[in-house]
Amino acid sequence: GQQLNQSPQSMFIQEGEDVSMNCTSSSIFNTWLWYKQDPGEGPVLLIALYKAGELTSNGRLTAQFGITRKDSFLNISASIPSDVGIYFCAEIQGAQKLVFGQGTRLTINP
Amino acid sequence: DGGITQSPKYLFRKEGQNVTLSCEQNLNHDAMYWYRQDPGQGLRLIYYSQIVNDFQKGDIAEGYSVSREKKESFPLTVTSAQKNPTAFYLCASSTHKNTEAFFGQGTRLTVV
Repeated sequence: GQQLNQSPQSMFIQEGEDVSMNCTSSSIFNTWLWYKQDPGEGPVLLIALYKAGELTSNGRLTAQFGITRKDSFLNISASIPSDVGIYFCAEIQGAQKLVFGQGTRLTINP
Repeated sequence: DGGITQSPKYLFRKEGQNVTLSCEQNLNHDAMYWYRQDPGQGLRLIYYSQIVNDFQKGDIAEGYSVSREKKESFPLTVTSAQKNPTAFYLCASSTHKNTEAFFGQGTRLTVV
C-alpha cells in the first residue's frame, strides 16, 4: 500500500511548549485523520479533515489538510502532561482501507 | 452504551497453537478492521471488511484469517503459520459514509 511518512518519530519537550508534527504521502487523498494513543489503549480520534486547505481546531489542537492533498500537520499548543502519548495520522486508501503513519511519540518533561 | 469491544485484554498461548481474538461492535458500523502493533511501532493493517461475508487482505495478512458472518462481529484467528505472533492487536470499525474509525481497547497476545 501507499506509505504515510510521519515526522518526527519522537519528541521530548517541556510542559507548556507548543508541538508540531506532520504527515506526508506520495498520493493524493480525500481524508486526513489524526489519532492519539495512550499506553496500552486503542487510538482515539482527535481531528478529521475532509477538504484541501481545511484548518480545524479541537481545543488546544489544530490540524490542517494541505493544499496539495498530500500532507497534513497537527499542532498542540501549551502542552500539558496528559498530552503524552503516540499521535498517528491516517488516510483512507481505495475503498475503506484505513492506513496509519508510523506515529509520533510525545514525551513531556514537567 | 454503544461501542467496540475486544476480548480478552491479555492472552497467552503456546507456540504452534491457533488462537482467536474477539471483536464485537454495536455501533451498526459497516466496516471493520484488524491491526497489529509492535512495541514502538505504528499500526499495520492485517485484514479489513466493508460488508458482511466479505473481507480483504491488508498489508500483513500472512498467518492470519478472519470471518465476517455477522455485521457486529469480526474475529481474527492467529494461526501457527504466523512466525512472530506476539503483539498488541487492535480492532476498529467505521461506517461507509463516515470514515472516522473507532477502536477497541486492544488484545495483547503473548506466545511462549
